[in-house]
Order: sequence, then C-alpha cells, then structure tokens
Amino acid sequence: GAVVSQHPSWVICKSGTSVKIECRSLDFQATTMFWYRQFPKQSLMLMATSNEGSKATYEQGVEKDKFLINHASLTLSTLTVTSAHPEDSSFYICSAKRGQTLNQPQHFGDGTRLSIL
Amino acid sequence: DQQVKQNSPSLSVQEGRISILNCDYTNSMFDYFLWYKKYPAEGPTFLISISSIKDKNEDGRFTVFLNKSAKHLSLHIVPSQPGDSAVYFCAASSRTSGTYKYIFGTGTRLKVLA
Repeated sequence: GAVVSQHPSWVICKSGTSVKIECRSLDFQATTMFWYRQFPKQSLMLMATSNEGSKATYEQGVEKDKFLINHASLTLSTLTVTSAHPEDSSFYICSAKRGQTLNQPQHFGDGTRLSIL
Repeated sequence: DQQVKQNSPSLSVQEGRISILNCDYTNSMFDYFLWYKKYPAEGPTFLISISSIKDKNEDGRFTVFLNKSAKHLSLHIVPSQPGDSAVYFCAASSRTSGTYKYIFGTGTRLKVLA
C-alpha cells in the first residue's frame, strides 16, 4: 500500500529557530502534496497545496513567508517554519496524492509535533 | 464557516454492535467524500470513500452512505471491535475546484467497549 513518511516526528526548539519538516512518498510519485495543521481536539486545517516544480498554493490566512514549502521532486516536499514562535506549536501533517484522478485518496504521514519554547 | 460538520464529538458503543458516525456538509459542489481514522500522534488512515454518483459503498465491516439531498453522509461499522476505538474524520472534496484539497470535519471520537 501507499506509504508516506514524515520526519521528524517530534521537535522541541527555542523561539526564533527555523524548523524543516520533510514529507516523502515512499512507493509512489506524488505530483501533489498537502500540508495540514491540527490543534488539540480540532480538525485538520489545510495550510497549503504543494505542487512539484511550481509554487505552493496557500490557504487564506496562512503566511507564505512564515511557512515555506518546497516540492523539489516527485517524492519529497518540505515545510520550513521560519523564525518559529510558541504560537506555531502544533501538530503538522503532510499528505500525498497518488495519480491525477480525483478518486484517489490522500495518504497521510504520521505527523510532526512541533513545540516551541 | 465550517463546511463539513461532525456534530457528535464522541460516541461509545458496545463491542459487536453497530457504530454509526455522522457527517453533514453545506457545500453542494462537494462530490467526493472520505472517512479517515486517526490514532493519537499519528496521521489519519484512509478507510473508505464514496463518489456523489453513488449512495452507498461497502468495504468489509465499513459502509458509507451518502444522502445528497440532505447533504449528509454516515459511516457504519459492524460489528464494532475494540481496535476501532479512534477519532474518525469525514472529508469532502470538489472535483470542479480543480484542486484535490479536502475539507475535514471536526472528528468524532469512537470508543468501543469490550
């Protein structure tokens, strides 16, 4: 089955640090990957759509200069939280979509818990 | 504006009985719906999906029903097992949006009692 790997699974760092999270599709090529954020006991909120070889599409209210997304290959997308502050602490999850048809589900990584001190 | 809603934050069911999880949506442009299961500190796992051209899709113990006129879908799990205890999210997508993005509901925590 499809496997999406996300790394690291847990990060604790000081305020002002930039943190990079990687999302890899392990057994399929993903032209489109997605980045979500989840606050405790809340839904997954889509932050941005990452397209291989082009700029990411950010959802309304998401600062693109704060959350840098790079989708340099068909199997890797990265999210960099720049100059992170405590309010950026959250659970970040990526997903990847196999194929170009709508009726293919997104497959999710196991998430990254980011804690900014 | 919450386009996808799961009005029951939690549900407890006895092992072996049926679990019914509900989801309502407001956007009539949604035409593809999914259910995901999520354990703490893990990413969601895909369970089952349904296209708007159908009203039912079944996969083993899981059945999804779609009522387009009511803008309502439900997930039936039968028989329920303790390992089904998790948070269940419904998600909706619109083919006409040209993207593949999903809008997720707020989740329902299912607890199956042994």
